[in-house]
Amino acid sequence: DVKVTQSSRYLVKRTGEKVFLECVQDMDHENMFWYRQDPGLGLRLIYFSYDVKMKEKGDIPEGYSVSREKKERFSLILESASTNQTSMYLCASSPTANQPQHFGDGTRLSIL
Amino acid sequence: GQQLNQSPQSMFIQEGEDVSMNCTSSSIFNTWLWYKQDPGEGPVLLIALYKAGELTSNGRLTAQFGITRKDSFLNISASIPSDVGIYFCAGQQAAGNKLTFGGGTRVLVKP
Repeated sequence: DVKVTQSSRYLVKRTGEKVFLECVQDMDHENMFWYRQDPGLGLRLIYFSYDVKMKEKGDIPEGYSVSREKKERFSLILESASTNQTSMYLCASSPTANQPQHFGDGTRLSIL
Repeated sequence: GQQLNQSPQSMFIQEGEDVSMNCTSSSIFNTWLWYKQDPGEGPVLLIALYKAGELTSNGRLTAQFGITRKDSFLNISASIPSDVGIYFCAGQQAAGNKLTFGGGTRVLVKP
């Protein structure tokens, strides 16, 4: 079974803090993704990566950056957290470009 | 970005009933996926469809890839209480590996 692990289930941070969300997959998948999920807006893609050190902007990259130094790990960084970044963040991975994505359990982030 | 139109937004089920939901788009997709999300967890893949007209089952779930490649539906037969949750459709176009998601169908138990 594919295992996508997000380091925290719940996180509370303050406005202006630099926040790191970590995601690890154990299936040697090429592609990794970060989404945020908000009521009424569904899942929206923030960034994705198709190889180590490679990254591509998704639909809503503003206020975020990512890092993929190793194949199994994809980090989402909020450079200076703001209250409108309070959300559920979901990480996903897929073996190659055209295969289904598998999701982690999510990190519910609150910015106070 | 573009969105898939998923309906209904929510529905109530009674144990034993069959339920249906669908997704439509103005764009063509090469792959359709159906996910289920339980409260506090991430979406779990239920069914993947790769060919127009394809009909695929997974237990009590059946999904079809529309012949126009612009729609898909999911059926749940003989529903049980653990079928409650949010069901998402997602489409993938040939050009890249990004998924486009529907807004979700929330399935609830009839009181």
